[in-house]
Amino acid sequence: GQQLNQSPQSMFIQEGEDVSMNCTSSSIFNTWLWYKQEPGEGPVLLIALYKAGELTSNGRLTAQFGITRKDSFLNISASIPSDVGIYFCAGQGGTSGTYKYIFGTGTRLKVLA
Amino acid sequence: KAGVTQTPRYLIKTRGQQVTLSCSPISGHRSVSWYQQTPGQGLQFLFEYFSETQRNKGNFPGRFSGRQFSNSRSEMNVSTLELGDSALYLCASSLDFGGYGYTFGSGTRLTVV
Repeated sequence: GQQLNQSPQSMFIQEGEDVSMNCTSSSIFNTWLWYKQEPGEGPVLLIALYKAGELTSNGRLTAQFGITRKDSFLNISASIPSDVGIYFCAGQGGTSGTYKYIFGTGTRLKVLA
Repeated sequence: KAGVTQTPRYLIKTRGQQVTLSCSPISGHRSVSWYQQTPGQGLQFLFEYFSETQRNKGNFPGRFSGRQFSNSRSEMNVSTLELGDSALYLCASSLDFGGYGYTFGSGTRLTVV
């Protein structure tokens, strides 16, 4: 199935560090979403982006909708142990040819106290 | 308000059997989507239902089917189970067809032995 490319695939960081991850696609999207999934649970929506260039924050999380509409970025500032989980991006619409959300491969984050 | 409810949480089935999973969306949400999540393939879209009609379908064999009822509750069925069908099946609901962000349930963990 179609997927977006996320990088890095996984990362270990020290508590207090800032984290950056990104998501790229060959398709242009109209909407970008970022989700976090913890073990045994479904993904939880963190941030939604609807406009190219848009920068949106949710607490320590900041996400940007890339100008080309083919990428998106998520930053987490001053990481804490509860930030552990898998972060997924998802894109929708545009030249993907579908209304359904297409998900990235995920970035697994581990925070060392 | 109550979130997306999926039942059962865990299920063990034997190859060749069939299984039905249930999803109750958030009250007022009319769109329900189903995803299969595996470590190797990530989140793969199965189908989306809106107003009791299937609006989108992913690239899964005909053994995977679904339906939506008038109260927006949805079920998915997998017939003639194969070992490779072992996965976390996630249901997500949204207000309308096509988006503005999904709210996911906690999923049903299906193990085929």
